[in-house]
Amino acid sequence: EVQLVQSGAEVKKPGQSLKISCKGSGYDFPNYWIVWVRQVPGKGLEWMGLISPSDSNIIYSPSFQGQVTLSADKSINTAYLQWDTLKASDTAIYFCARSPMKFFDYWGQGTLVTVSS
Amino acid sequence: DIQMTQSPSSVSASVGDRVTITCRASQAISSSLAWYQQKPGKAPKLLIYGATNLQSGVPSRFSGSESGTDFTLTINNLQPEDFATYSCQQANSFPLTFGGGTRVEIK
Repeated sequence: EVQLVQSGAEVKKPGQSLKISCKGSGYDFPNYWIVWVRQVPGKGLEWMGLISPSDSNIIYSPSFQGQVTLSADKSINTAYLQWDTLKASDTAIYFCARSPMKFFDYWGQGTLVTVSS
Repeated sequence: DIQMTQSPSSVSASVGDRVTITCRASQAISSSLAWYQQKPGKAPKLLIYGATNLQSGVPSRFSGSESGTDFTLTINNLQPEDFATYSCQQANSFPLTFGGGTRVEIK
């Protein structure tokens, strides 16, 4: 069974850093892109970028380029989304998903990130 | 960027009804369109990819069609578990983009 399991909810202050994770199982992790999608509560879905775990090739959405960093460790079947300096506007639910061909067939359960002073 | 304009933003329907949701792409995207269903507090679920291909395990009352840059999701014989938000996504070119979502509510 294909599963993507994300790390738990986080509460941070503005200016802090954060790295959340997404661990895949039940399939050949290196051979599928992993995407990250943001959803501000009550709003729509926004594609942030994707990473190839096999070679760490990354494509960012222009809206998120420079704001976040994607990475992956294929040895432990895990992808990461990282912020160096959080802002209140980063408060959202972040989903990872498997991407066979630029659509997303299996999703993680989501990680709620709350940034508040 | 390719803009995806989804309509309506919400629709009220009854069990057994047929519901249609439309996404219009701002430029040609071939058949590179996916539809997702999302229930409150849950992750989105892939329903259809390639505009018309039903994802494994998805009931056959869901179907997708296309006409040029217009794409339609049809739900026949609406069931109680179908009340949710539906979003389209273009998979043609980067940046990948979603429609704004359609909330299907109980009439």
